[in-house]
Amino acid sequence: AQSVAQPEDQVNVAEGNPLTVKCTYSVSGNPYLFWYVQYPNRGLQFLLKYITGDNLVKGSYGFEAEFNKSQTSFHLKKPSALVSDSALYFCAVRHWEGNQGGKLIFGQGTELSVKP
Amino acid sequence: SQTIHQWPATLVQPVGSPLSLECTVEGTSNPNLYWYRQAAGRGLQLLFYSVGIGQISSEVPQNLSASRPQDRQFILSSKKLLLSDSGFYLCAWSFSWDSEAFFGQGTRLTVV
Repeated sequence: AQSVAQPEDQVNVAEGNPLTVKCTYSVSGNPYLFWYVQYPNRGLQFLLKYITGDNLVKGSYGFEAEFNKSQTSFHLKKPSALVSDSALYFCAVRHWEGNQGGKLIFGQGTELSVKP
Repeated sequence: SQTIHQWPATLVQPVGSPLSLECTVEGTSNPNLYWYRQAAGRGLQLLFYSVGIGQISSEVPQNLSASRPQDRQFILSSKKLLLSDSGFYLCAWSFSWDSEAFFGQGTRLTVV
C-alpha cells in the first residue's frame, strides 16, 4: 500500500536559519508527492508537488522540496526560516485505485516552530 | 478561478442527533471530491472520495455516509452522532486523480 512517513513530530528552528521537514514514502510505481501547510483551525494549503522532471521542486512562500528516488524521500526545505512559517506541515502521496480514481494519503504531520 | 465552500465553520451537536455537512466547489466541473477528518492531534483520515456523481468510495466503515447529489456538491451525513465523531472535518477537491487537492476551511464538530 502507498504511504508516507514524517519521522519528526516537531522541528524547532531559529529565524533566519535553514529548515528541513522530512518525509519518506512507500509506493508501487512512480510517486506523486505533495506538501501542504496548515495554520491553526484552518484548512490545508498546497505548497508544492512532484510528479516528474527535476528533482528539486520549488513552491509557494520560498519553500522547495527535493525528491530522492534512491532514498525514497521528499524533504521540504527553506533556506531562511521566518517566524510566520510556524505551522503544521503535511507530506502526501497519491494512491491510484484503478477506475476508482486516486486517493490522497497524508503523513501524520510535523509541527514547525520558528523562534525569533 | 475555483473556490470551495464548506459550512458551517463550527457545530455543536448532542449525541444521537443527525449531521449534515455541505461542501460545494465553484469554477470547475467534474472535480474529484474528498472528505477528511482530523482528530485531536493532527493526523488526516480519508473518509470518502468521489470521482463523479453518485460514485462514492468509503475508506473507513463507521457512523458516517457521504453523497454527491450534484457534480460540485458533496455532503457528509450521519443519522446518529457518537461522541467519537467529534473532530475537524475537511472537504477537498482536485482536477484529477493525480493532481493536488484544494481544501475548504473546515468544520469543527463537537459532539456533546
